Amino acid sequence: SQTIHQWPATLVQPVGSPLSLECTVEGTSNPNLYWYRQAAGRGLQLLFYSVGIGQISSEVPQNLSASRPQDRQFILSSKKLLLSDSGFYLCAWSVRGAASVSPLHFGNGTRLTVT
Amino acid sequence: AQSVTQLGSHVSVSEGALVLLRCNYSSSVPPYLFWYVQYPNQGLQLLLKYTSAATLVKGINGFEAEFKKSETSFHLTKPSAHMSDAAEYFCAVRDHTDKLIFGTGTRLQVFP
Repeated sequence: SQTIHQWPATLVQPVGSPLSLECTVEGTSNPNLYWYRQAAGRGLQLLFYSVGIGQISSEVPQNLSASRPQDRQFILSSKKLLLSDSGFYLCAWSVRGAASVSPLHFGNGTRLTVT
Repeated sequence: AQSVTQLGSHVSVSEGALVLLRCNYSSSVPPYLFWYVQYPNQGLQLLLKYTSAATLVKGINGFEAEFKKSETSFHLTKPSAHMSDAAEYFCAVRDHTDKLIFGTGTRLQVFP
């Protein structure tokens, strides 16, 4: 069966420090991969999505970047964190090629607090 | 562009009462719709999905949702609330580029 792993579960970082959040998927090949952010009291905002290695689409201008160095690995990064980067970050995958009928499967998230 | 609107950021019910969480969608094409549940400090778990096969969709944990094209709605219901249903619920629509667009969520509280 497919599983998705995100780490770390929680992270406290000072303003101006770098960030690296990692997400890996097991049990499937060629997935679509997504990074979402959930701020307190708000819905989910799509940050990045990827349909293949090295193929990243950014949804909103921001202080973050994403990379996909391997088929089932998705990394969210920042060179210098801002206070506004605090939030709950969720990685997700879906079946590529199943188009609209494939739901997203989410990891357990990373709670990031920038101080 | 596709979008969803969830009416009511908070809903409170008594244990055993009917649960009704509202979702209206906007889509220029036949929509694919989803309901997710999120428990505190966890990721989202799929409750059910509508992919045009049947208008009444049954999901996990006794939840179901009915697709009504005339009302552009996809409301989530459960006949009898349980304390364990307390969570945040998200409605979502998939857009033409295979991305999922989420509503702002509804927090469900269940009182004994």
